[in-house]
Amino acid sequence: GESVGLHLPTLSVQEGDNSIINCAYSNSASDYFIWYKQESGKGPQFIIDIRSNMDKRQGQRVTVLLNKTVKHLSLQIAATQPGDSAVYFCAENQEAGGFKTIFGAGTRLFVKA
Amino acid sequence: DAGVTQSPTHLIKTRGQQVTLRCSPKSGHDTVSWYQQALGQGPQFIFQYYEEEERQRGNFPDRFSGHQFPNYSSELNVNALLLGDSALYLCASSSLAGTSYEQYFGPGTRLTVT
Repeated sequence: GESVGLHLPTLSVQEGDNSIINCAYSNSASDYFIWYKQESGKGPQFIIDIRSNMDKRQGQRVTVLLNKTVKHLSLQIAATQPGDSAVYFCAENQEAGGFKTIFGAGTRLFVKA
Repeated sequence: DAGVTQSPTHLIKTRGQQVTLRCSPKSGHDTVSWYQQALGQGPQFIFQYYEEEERQRGNFPDRFSGHQFPNYSSELNVNALLLGDSALYLCASSSLAGTSYEQYFGPGTRLTVT
């Protein structure tokens, strides 16, 4: 079936370095892609989103890149901080009928002080 | 302004029993979605409610059912519990009237089936 997946299950970075989390998706008809951050004991928290008609979007310290040719999504975090340690999920929305969201398995980010 | 709230926080049930989980959406939101998150995995979409009707459903059996009330709050019911139903159940709210697909998640209900 159609799914959203991640290349790496874990990523360890030094504090202050930039982090890049990658994601592959299979449904070329998806309208919308989202990155979520989930800390231990909490629900997923929205980070940034991008629509399928865009290839880049920037937020505060985060950038999402979308490459529709190879169905690839990435999240870049600048100057990674200890508070960024969490599990990151990419997800895609399929608008038909009400914004059903499909999540990938997640990447755990460890930030070393 | 309260965010998404869920109750109870934790729940332990026995195989074969039934369970009801509750969710109150963020103020101003009219749509509630439910997700199941097994340990170490991403959330899996169960279903979504809008205007008190189920609009979308994921690949879950009929043992999973729901309801949305006029005040937009929602319940998730699971019948004939199986050990494999042990998971974190997440509720997310959003607004179909808005232009964003952004969903706000609650902290979840941790269900353990023994």
